[in-house]
Amino acid sequence: KAGVTQTPRYLIKTRGQQVTLSCSPISGHRSVSWYQQTPGQGLQFLFEYFSETQRNKGNFPGRFSGRQFSNSRSEMNVSTLELGDSALYLCASSLRGQLQETQYFGPGTRLLVL
Amino acid sequence: AQSVTQPDIHITVSEGASLELRCNYSYGATPYLFWYVQSPGQGLQLLLKYFSGDTLVQGIKGFEAEFKRSQSSFNLRKPSVHWSDAAEYFCASTYRAGTASKLTFGTGTRLQVML
Repeated sequence: KAGVTQTPRYLIKTRGQQVTLSCSPISGHRSVSWYQQTPGQGLQFLFEYFSETQRNKGNFPGRFSGRQFSNSRSEMNVSTLELGDSALYLCASSLRGQLQETQYFGPGTRLLVL
Repeated sequence: AQSVTQPDIHITVSEGASLELRCNYSYGATPYLFWYVQSPGQGLQLLLKYFSGDTLVQGIKGFEAEFKRSQSSFNLRKPSVHWSDAAEYFCASTYRAGTASKLTFGTGTRLQVML
């Protein structure tokens, strides 16, 4: 079974631009979560989608948004990029996002904002 | 709010030596606890998890962890470290009323292995 895939793997943007990151979960997984990883703040939960609905949300400004498609693929969007948005963005999938399930992480998209 | 503390930012051990990485959690209810490993350029891989029952949990790659409620700890151990274990290790938690997706992570411990 293929793992979680994220595209692109690397991205360079400038302040004020917007960016869209993509995540394809493991086949059959319907829960997709996003995390931001930075040296200063560590790993922080952004949001979770299940069956095309946002089910959980972390403490991030409205510039961070996401969506999930009927095939469970998910995208996250960051508008009006700031230097502090430079980070590794990780996506994780699980069957239904239940406590007993294992979350499988993708390799991440490394975003650099100049 | 729940929190996870990993007191050691960086640990260096010799190959073949034993390893213990510390993790403390802070939350009133019984937490669900996890250890993940992240190799350079990679995502996170689950090593083991604790939900309930036996407080000594076995994981992959020869790792184990022990849940101690009295100390609010969930330390990760390995009896003999291999050079390939060099990576960053994250302790994480969630709780019964939460969901598996909303994990709270510690700041990580970077493990260096001397040959």
